[in-house]
Amino acid sequence: NAGVTQTPKFQVLKTGQSMTLQCAQDMNHNSMYWYRQDPGMGLRLIYYSASEGTTDKGEVPNGYNVSRLNKREFSLRLESAAPSQTSVYFCASSDGRQKETQYFGPGTRLLVL
Amino acid sequence: AQTVTQSQPEMSVQEAETVTLSCTYDTSESDYYLFWYKQPPSRQMILVIRQEAYKQQNATENRFSVNFQKAAKSFSLKISDSQLGDAAMYFCAFYSGGGADGLTFGKGTHLIIQP
Repeated sequence: NAGVTQTPKFQVLKTGQSMTLQCAQDMNHNSMYWYRQDPGMGLRLIYYSASEGTTDKGEVPNGYNVSRLNKREFSLRLESAAPSQTSVYFCASSDGRQKETQYFGPGTRLLVL
Repeated sequence: AQTVTQSQPEMSVQEAETVTLSCTYDTSESDYYLFWYKQPPSRQMILVIRQEAYKQQNATENRFSVNFQKAAKSFSLKISDSQLGDAAMYFCAFYSGGGADGLTFGKGTHLIIQP
């Protein structure tokens, strides 16, 4: 049972490059989330998707775009990466009836030079 | 907006002893949920325990229990019989469902287990 998977595990980008972080869940969850974790900080919400076809901004959405491709997949795109986006990115999902209980993927470590 | 404060950046405890991690939060909501997540060096976020604000009874999960004081907006985690595998970052988190539909996290407490 894979749960929430994320690719890649680690990525190095140069300033100005673009990339897409992929997330998939196999638990048939309606809601999916993207968070970032910076050193000495807890996780902060970037974007979320309450259901297929909908997305909403979280606390720190600037510099990111998201796509809820289908019920399983929720991607995060950096159009023009900046050093301030160096972080660990976590995807999470939750059931529509218990949105508060979120299950996390293993994270993607992103380094922007 | 809700805030979550963990005032202990680091705690140390002897193996087999008991340790309590502190968490306070600020909200105007009356219905919400509180969580403790464990993050070992692998970085995986692992749910430890969950508390529903409308339930007065404190949640327990094996060696992990909470002391939930709703009026004081306090939510501490007690780990009994500490084990080496408990060493990790511990994050307190809040969810109300109002506004942005995600968790609000504290900055974390680094727990060290001394053998």
